[in-house]
Amino acid sequence: GQNIDQPTEMTATEGAIVQINCTYQTSGFNGLFWYQQHAGEAPTFLSYNVLDGLEEKGRFSSFLSRSKGYSYLLLKELQMKDSASYLCAVTVGGYIPTFGRGTSLIVHP
Amino acid sequence: GAVVSQHPSWVICKSGTSVKIECRSLDFQATTMFWYRQFPKQSLMLMATSNEGSKATYEQGVEKDKFLINHASLTLSTLTVTSAHPEDSSFYICSAGPGIHYEQYFGPGTRLTVT
Repeated sequence: GQNIDQPTEMTATEGAIVQINCTYQTSGFNGLFWYQQHAGEAPTFLSYNVLDGLEEKGRFSSFLSRSKGYSYLLLKELQMKDSASYLCAVTVGGYIPTFGRGTSLIVHP
Repeated sequence: GAVVSQHPSWVICKSGTSVKIECRSLDFQATTMFWYRQFPKQSLMLMATSNEGSKATYEQGVEKDKFLINHASLTLSTLTVTSAHPEDSSFYICSAGPGIHYEQYFGPGTRLTVT
């Protein structure tokens, strides 16, 4: 089976940097997704990592270490609108992601 | 990016009735669509994989006779919650991708409340 672990909640200040970690223990591994989900809305795609290393996309970056079963999502220059749930999801042998419970990020002024 | 729509966005129904939720891919064809359920402050749980022209594949613990899935065309999948009960109240989300593609696009979700 798959076990995906991420912190339940984090808080940060507007303009700051925050790192959301995700660890996984899976039988096999294809790739790792990060999604953003605002309350009452569907998730929106942020990133997909297959290879080790850091991928940067504007204010958001995602890192993957396959050997350590570890990923993080880095958010820079935080804005109030970044307050949302961030979902880590892993695909194993296919393209259907298995989701972690999500990290609720609260950005305050 | 690709667009996936859902209808209705929210629905309230009485216990014992059935509710149909539609998932459409608007600008691409999807041979496979996925249905998820999400309870408050919980993760997305995959319910079933909807396959165009064939039977859906249900995840363990999901009753196929209660959650009827029909994928009659390459752009439409429907989920019917039969004999709904209050515990079926949840946020139902579908996703689809253009072919066997790593990125799945989510619909906006349907909030179901059973009274």
